[in-house]
Amino acid sequence: AQSVTQLDSQVPVFEEAPVELRCNYSSSVSVYLFWYVQYPNQGLQLLLKYLSGSTLVESINGFEAEFNKSQTSFHLRKPSVHISDTAEYFCAVSGRTGFQKLVFGTGTRLLVSP
Amino acid sequence: EPEVTQTPSHQVTQMGQEVILRCVPISNHLYFYWYRQILGQKVEFLVSFYNNEISEKSEIFDDQFSVERPDGSNFTLKIRSTKLEDSAMYFCASSETGTGFYNEQFFGPGTRLTVL
Repeated sequence: AQSVTQLDSQVPVFEEAPVELRCNYSSSVSVYLFWYVQYPNQGLQLLLKYLSGSTLVESINGFEAEFNKSQTSFHLRKPSVHISDTAEYFCAVSGRTGFQKLVFGTGTRLLVSP
Repeated sequence: EPEVTQTPSHQVTQMGQEVILRCVPISNHLYFYWYRQILGQKVEFLVSFYNNEISEKSEIFDDQFSVERPDGSNFTLKIRSTKLEDSAMYFCASSETGTGFYNEQFFGPGTRLTVL
């Protein structure tokens, strides 16, 4: 079984400041790791994923996350946030075999202000 | 761009009533999922469905819940006798395949169910 912990329920930040959203996971098997984003009144959108290979993965809009196996973490970072990044961010894991159901964290609300 | 759609966006019902939440997955996808999120809590897996059968379900998915693919396009979640604790956002997702190498799940916008 897997579990995901997102310790920060809300992260307020000023525009153009850097941000890190923390995610730790627990699993007895190898996992895939994901960050999903949910904008107001919209569904969950995949932001980025770690499947294998390079431990640093990037999204097209400037976010990056690093898989750290020893610390069982997959923190999300962005060096300079925009107002439009205001959203709920969910970290998730799935097993690598069988039906790959997603196990989510509780989410972190990123609030970017001018 | 193809997307998963869900109706209604908000459903209000009385305790004990039956509700059906509807989803239209992406047309060439074969695997379907329901998740739910109680306000302030995690998004939780409910059930996965493939080839007209449940492939996996969580302990939340008890006898009050059922899923169906009544035609070639819709995928429904039925709650037979709603309880107050069923109030949540319900997300439908679909993927092209479900096992083997990674298969991305695409999510709908959700249906907010409020049980009074």
